[in-house]
Amino acid sequence: DTAVSQTPKYLVTQMGNDKSIKCEQNLGHDTMYWYKQDSKKFLKIMFSYNNKELIINETVPNRFSPKSPDKAHLNLHINSLELGDSAVYFCASRSFTGGEAEAFFGQGTRLTVV
Amino acid sequence: DAKTTQPNSMESNEEEPVHLPCNHSTISGTDYIHWYRQLPSQGPEYVIHGLTSNVNNRMASLAIAEDRKSSTLILHRATLRDAAVYYCTLSPYGTDKLIFGTGTRLQVFP
Repeated sequence: DTAVSQTPKYLVTQMGNDKSIKCEQNLGHDTMYWYKQDSKKFLKIMFSYNNKELIINETVPNRFSPKSPDKAHLNLHINSLELGDSAVYFCASRSFTGGEAEAFFGQGTRLTVV
Repeated sequence: DAKTTQPNSMESNEEEPVHLPCNHSTISGTDYIHWYRQLPSQGPEYVIHGLTSNVNNRMASLAIAEDRKSSTLILHRATLRDAAVYYCTLSPYGTDKLIFGTGTRLQVFP
């Protein structure tokens, strides 16, 4: 059973389109994240949710909108896609805040905007 | 937010110990130090974490400097499967943040 699963794994789309990436965790964790990894492998936090409440929003264009229908799911919707949005997006979850908890990551969604 | 600095790359031979350094000179007293690694085409996976004392687990050891401004991840006997990018990250207590550094690409040669 995959702990953190993302769909789709690959996404190729044209500029200007709107797309969504879904994430689900079956670990019972309270906190979920979206990270963006660019071509230089730098992992940058975008958002975090705790029990469906937005906690962190790190200077991300408002074309990116996370949605958490319940604490097991955190989806990422992206409007008006741009070339610079091409990256690998990772979803992650942690059991609690406090600094100690390890994070579990999904396999990533490679988004290519053409 | 405090930052971490790591060498871009390191090399090792199989079955030799590997010491991966990380500087975090602006760390605050309640920031946990985590290490994650990322195998090719996979998501990051947890390796180890600590606050002040050295830590051991089945994957690795973590040595934390007394002033906490640096730490070293120790792989006791590198295998080919340990070839990955290793990230030193900070996790401030009381926040949700997990702040990744730039990572060290470890190559392991047979």
